[in-house]
Amino acid sequence: DTAVSQTPKYLVTQMGNDKSIKCEQNLGHDTMYWYKQDSKKFLKIMFSYNNKELIINETVPNRFSPKSPDKAHLNLHINSLELGDSAVYFCASSQGPQDYQPQHFGDGTRLSIL
Amino acid sequence: KQEVTQIPAALSVPEGENLVLNCSFTDSAIYNLQWFRQDPGKGLTSLLLIQSSQREQTSGRLNASLDKSSGRSTLYIAASQPGDSATYLCAVRPNTGNQFYFGTGTSLTVIP
Repeated sequence: DTAVSQTPKYLVTQMGNDKSIKCEQNLGHDTMYWYKQDSKKFLKIMFSYNNKELIINETVPNRFSPKSPDKAHLNLHINSLELGDSAVYFCASSQGPQDYQPQHFGDGTRLSIL
Repeated sequence: KQEVTQIPAALSVPEGENLVLNCSFTDSAIYNLQWFRQDPGKGLTSLLLIQSSQREQTSGRLNASLDKSSGRSTLYIAASQPGDSATYLCAVRPNTGNQFYFGTGTSLTVIP
């Protein structure tokens, strides 16, 4: 049973397009995250939602818009894709804020912009 | 803002050796620190989580220590195996906020 699943696993698209990445967790967690890992392997938080409400919004272009239809899902929509958006995007979840449990990560979505 | 650094960036050791990976952070006001491993093309697997009140955590051949006052954590791997080859990341969770600050990772290769 996959705890945190992301789709698609790979996404290759042209500059200027709009695309979405989906994330689902079946752990019953309240908090979900999106991270971006760049070519230097550095992981940076983008957004965090707790029980469908946005609680962290780092300095991310407003072309990126997260949406949480329920606490088990956190999708990421990206408008007008740019070359610099090429990266691996990781979704994660945790029990909740200030919890003692580790974060669980998905396998990542590898986005390549042509 | 919290900054997390890992040294070395890459490490290559023969099988069977004991090794230490280092993680340092600039702000000691942390809630916890977590070590992950990342295999190529895969997500992150949590290895050990140390709360700010703890000094160390152990799991099998892994031991992680935390010295909050000096802003350091180490991950000790005993009797390394080729299957340990991966990138190891440490991540710090501050007292306020609900996110992790990740280091840049150490790429470990264990040579058979």
